Amino acid sequence: GENVEQHPSTLSVQEGDSAVIKCTYSDSASNYFPWYKQELGKRPQLIIDIRSNVGEKKDQRIAVTLNKTAKHFSLHITETQPEDSAVYFCAAPNRDDKIIFGKGTRLHILP
Amino acid sequence: GAVVSQHPSRVICKSGTSVKIECRSLDFQATTMFWYRQFPKQSLMLMATSNEGSKATYEQGVEKDKFLINHASLTLSTLTVTSAHPEDSSFYICSASWGVGNTEAFFGQGTRLTVV
Repeated sequence: GENVEQHPSTLSVQEGDSAVIKCTYSDSASNYFPWYKQELGKRPQLIIDIRSNVGEKKDQRIAVTLNKTAKHFSLHITETQPEDSAVYFCAAPNRDDKIIFGKGTRLHILP
Repeated sequence: GAVVSQHPSRVICKSGTSVKIECRSLDFQATTMFWYRQFPKQSLMLMATSNEGSKATYEQGVEKDKFLINHASLTLSTLTVTSAHPEDSSFYICSASWGVGNTEAFFGQGTRLTVV
């Protein structure tokens, strides 16, 4: 089945700098890659997603890149702000179309 | 985005009792709902997938007789934790989508279950 690996597990970034979180997936048939942000005690919220027919998508300070050949996709956050501190999850569907999540990255924005 | 409401948000129950958690899609018809369990500082672990009008599909290692799922309508799925034990204490969260796989899934606010 689909295996989604996410790195790093923890990331500390100085406010204003960029943060990059990377994920790899195993099922070459996967064609949809969402990223979720989860603040403490709250539900995950979709922040950006990408489909397999494009290599990059950007929404203000957030971007996602996809390399289908290498089966990896990355989340890029530029000009980080304190409110970016949260846990971020990547995800990908398996062959049964169930969304499988990575283990998460705890992002700390340092003042 | 679409709204998914999960109830209750917190529940404390005694060992041996059962607890029902509801997941409702408020403004769309959810053909598929997913139930996840999340331990502190860990990822979301898929427990089961429910489709309206059919039996839920459980992930390996999840006891279907302990975690009863009913997807009675296109807007409601319920998870019942039967004969709860302290080790069942966790954060349970549902998500719903009107498609499968490559469409956005919307999450409920989660239920923190504490079994004493």
